[in-house]
Amino acid sequence: SSELTQDPAVSVALGQTVRITCQGDSLRSYYASWYQQKPGQAPVLVIYGKNNRPSGIPDRFSGSSSGNTASLTITGAQAEDEADYYCNSRDSSGNGVVFGGGTKLTVL
Amino acid sequence: QVQLQQWGAGLLKPSETLSLTCAVYGGSFSGYYWSWIRQPPGKGLEWIGEINHSGSTNYNPSLKSRVTISVDTSKNQFSLKLSSVTAADTAVYYCARARELTGARYYYYMDVWGKGTTVTVSS
Repeated sequence: SSELTQDPAVSVALGQTVRITCQGDSLRSYYASWYQQKPGQAPVLVIYGKNNRPSGIPDRFSGSSSGNTASLTITGAQAEDEADYYCNSRDSSGNGVVFGGGTKLTVL
Repeated sequence: QVQLQQWGAGLLKPSETLSLTCAVYGGSFSGYYWSWIRQPPGKGLEWIGEINHSGSTNYNPSLKSRVTISVDTSKNQFSLKLSSVTAADTAVYYCARARELTGARYYYYMDVWGKGTTVTVSS
C-alpha cells in the first residue's frame, strides 16, 4: 500500500499530552516526517527522522515509531499547538511520496 | 537561510495549462529533491511530483499524464506545468525542498516550503 492513515481529529486538554499516529507500509522502511499547518499558512516541519526537531521547534514535540506506525507526541500541549498535523514519507516503491490525510488537533 | 519564492497565474479557465515557478534563494540546489504539493480547499496535502538538480523526476501516478516538472539550475529555479486543468485542480500549490537520507532506515522530509499560490480554475 502507498497510503498513510491518520485519525481525522484528536483533542487534548491544555497542558496535557497527546499522541497523533500515522500508519502505513512504507513506514517499515522510512521514518515519518511530521508537519504542522495552521489556517492560511504553509506546512511547517516539526519532526523528521528517528526523532529530530528543526531549529525553532519546541522540545514538547517528539516522534517515535514501531513497525508500520509512527507517532507524534506533544507533551504539555499549548493553545498555539492547535492545528492540522500531517505525516509524510516516501511510498512503498521508494519513488513516490505520500501524505497522511491529516489530523485536526483541538486544544481544549 | 534558504527561502523559496513562488509565482504563477492564479486564475485559469478549464482546459488551460497551469504554470508555476519556484526560485531557491540562499542555498545549494544540488543534493535535494524539489517538490510540488497542492491542497484543495478544505482538504489535505497531495504530492504532485519532484525533480532533482540533474533533472530526474518522479510524479504522482494520478497526475503523471498531465504534469511536467522542469529545472533551470542556472537560475536556481524549478517549474510546474499541469495541462488540461479542471475545477478539480483548484487548490493552493506549494513548492518545497525535500531531503532523502539513506541508512538502516531511510529519512525523507520537506524542510523548506514556499508560501503557496492559490490557483482557481473557473469558466
